[in-house]
Amino acid sequence: DTEVTQTPKHLVMGMTNKKSLKCEQHMGHRAMYWYKQKAKKPPELMFVYSYEKLSINESVPSRFSPECPNSSLLNLHLHALQPEDSALYLCASRPQGRDRGNTIYFGEGSWLTVV
Amino acid sequence: TQLLEQSPQFLSIQEGENLTVYCNSSSVFSSLQWYRQEPGEGPVLLVTVVTGGEVKKLKRLTFQFGDARKDSSLHITAAQPGDTGLYLCAGARRTSGSRLTFGEGTQLTVNP
Repeated sequence: DTEVTQTPKHLVMGMTNKKSLKCEQHMGHRAMYWYKQKAKKPPELMFVYSYEKLSINESVPSRFSPECPNSSLLNLHLHALQPEDSALYLCASRPQGRDRGNTIYFGEGSWLTVV
Repeated sequence: TQLLEQSPQFLSIQEGENLTVYCNSSSVFSSLQWYRQEPGEGPVLLVTVVTGGEVKKLKRLTFQFGDARKDSSLHITAAQPGDTGLYLCAGARRTSGSRLTFGEGTQLTVNP
C-alpha cells in the first residue's frame, strides 16, 4: 500500500480567508513533503518534514504555514493568499533508509483557486 | 541551472507508434524515479532505478539507467491513448538530502 491521502480535492478561497490542506499516510514513512505545481510544469518543493521536524523550507512566503502534528499527518495552513498562489498542492512521503532508493510517493493533490 | 534535462518537452504520436523519452545530467544520481501524471491528479510512480546499467520493464514500458547513473530513458512500445500524460523523471543525489531534482517533464499525447 503506497497511499497518500489529501483533502480537500478542490478548494476555492478568497484572499482574506484562512484555510488548511490536509495530508495523511499510514505507511510509516518518516519524511513528508509539500510541493506546489503549476499546469504542465514539474512540482516545486516547498517544505520537508523529517521525523516530524521541519528540515527544509524553500524560502516559502509566510502566508503558507506547515504543521506536522504526528508522523502520519501533515497540514498546510493558508492565510492571505494571492491569486498567483492558485495551483495544485501535492503532499508526498518517503521511507527513510539507504536501501529504499529515495522514492517519493505523491498524493492526488489539492487544487487550490484563490479569488 | 537545470540539473536534469528531459526531452522532448512535447510529443504527439499516433496509436501503435514507439517513443523514447530521455533524462540527462552531468551529475550522478543515487536513484532515479519516473512518474506519470494526468491532469488534476498527483504523479504516479512508475519505477525507481538505482543501479547503473539497470533495465526495468513494466508491460510496454522499458526503463534504463545509464551505466554512470547520470542519465535515464523511458521507452514505450506500441503506445496507446491511455499512455497520454505528463511524464516526469526525478533524481536523488547523495548531496541533496531529501530533495529530488525534477526534469521539466514530457507531455505525451497518443492519438487514436
